[in-house]
Amino acid sequence: ETGVTQTPRHLVMGMTNKKSLKCEQHLGHNAMYWYKQSAKKPLELMFVYSLEERVENNSVPSRFSPECPNSSHLFLHLHTLQPEDSALYLCASSQDPGGGSPLHFGNGTRLTVT
Amino acid sequence: QKEVEQNSGPLSVPEGAIASLNCTYSDRGSQSFFWYRQYSGKSPELIMFIYSNGDKEDGRFTAQLNKASQYVSLLIRDSQPSDSATYLCAVNIAQRTGRRALTFGSGTRLQVQP
Repeated sequence: ETGVTQTPRHLVMGMTNKKSLKCEQHLGHNAMYWYKQSAKKPLELMFVYSLEERVENNSVPSRFSPECPNSSHLFLHLHTLQPEDSALYLCASSQDPGGGSPLHFGNGTRLTVT
Repeated sequence: QKEVEQNSGPLSVPEGAIASLNCTYSDRGSQSFFWYRQYSGKSPELIMFIYSNGDKEDGRFTAQLNKASQYVSLLIRDSQPSDSATYLCAVNIAQRTGRRALTFGSGTRLQVQP
């Protein structure tokens, strides 16, 4: 596998469910990210990990919980979500966590909260 | 003031024309600038990046940067219908923690008319 892979591609969950999004990068990058893309809104940075250490939490509600067990894997654990959390969740990786190098995005997970 | 601003469009150009996409940013300390293309339902893909003032050309694409004016643009020559997409400008903006991360504009939708 090459690039950045995300699973699942689509997810429908109820407000009381617990689910996790998974991301894996095969590029040897040092930084991994979660972005949220809602309809008619710009991409919003959620979390940044640099070498497995969380270096940025962009005021994200605690119902979103990231986990980075190693530099190649990133998870986003979801619980008690709200309908307004329905969006496209994009994982990305880059060589430089400071925004000095390009982001490589996965295909995204389309999340619907019912 | 938004951190990264783009005209949402749509920008409509005839096939073969030059499309000009513009972006302004608020952080004078930003050093890295990226253009991404996003087709409907897909994740963003990198087109170009630029770090220094002036022009940078890659095939039909030219990125232009003016740090004094806090302005970056993308020119697409000989526009093709396949160029119809949303173009996202991304800039490494200082976050709440003081660290920098890529912040995206809301995107400009380009329509190339055959």
